[in-house]
Amino acid sequence: ETGVTQTPRHLVMGMTNKKSLKCEQHLGHNAMYWYKQSAKKPLELMFVYSLEERVENNSVPSRFSPECPNSSHLFLHLHTLQPEDSALYLCASSPGPSSPVAFFGQGTRLTVV
Amino acid sequence: DQQVKQNSPSLSVQEGRISILNCDYTNSMFDYFLWYKKYPAEGPTFLISISSIKDKNEDGRFTVFLNKSAKHLSLHIVPSQPGDSAVYFCAASVISNSGYALNFGKGTSLLVTP
Repeated sequence: ETGVTQTPRHLVMGMTNKKSLKCEQHLGHNAMYWYKQSAKKPLELMFVYSLEERVENNSVPSRFSPECPNSSHLFLHLHTLQPEDSALYLCASSPGPSSPVAFFGQGTRLTVV
Repeated sequence: DQQVKQNSPSLSVQEGRISILNCDYTNSMFDYFLWYKKYPAEGPTFLISISSIKDKNEDGRFTVFLNKSAKHLSLHIVPSQPGDSAVYFCAASVISNSGYALNFGKGTSLLVTP
């Protein structure tokens, strides 16, 4: 069983659409993260949730809206995106302060047209 | 401002030889350093880590060395195998109440040739 599962794997959306990315972790972790990987750039941290509370937002535009209804699920709601938002969006989870190791999902490849 | 840098975008090594991947960082407050491996169309997979209080950590064919005075770490893979061909990311983190948020380098693409 995969520890961190992301759906969908691929998504194409228009600039006026609204869509959501979903992440589920089966590892019993307390912290969940959204990262963005654009071409030729390092992975960029977008959001951190710890025990379902958002604790960090790295100045991400409001067209990205995260939601963490419980410690196992994380969503990223998308609306009125721009073509430059096309990227690989990765979800990760970690135990929390007890361990630095984050486990990643396979990512959602997003294309904004 | 990038705090973790991998200055070599690619590296090619012959099977059986040693692969050395390098990483530099600027933030002296980092507590942990990690290496991740990524295949195309997959998420990064954790490989090995090292605490800032150590200078070496070994796990099978993989060894990470940390030089705090130089703010430099390296990953040694020996012997290299064709299945090691992937993109390797260096990451560093500082503990906070929320846990760890990782700062990543841009990655080094390793190709191990038969």
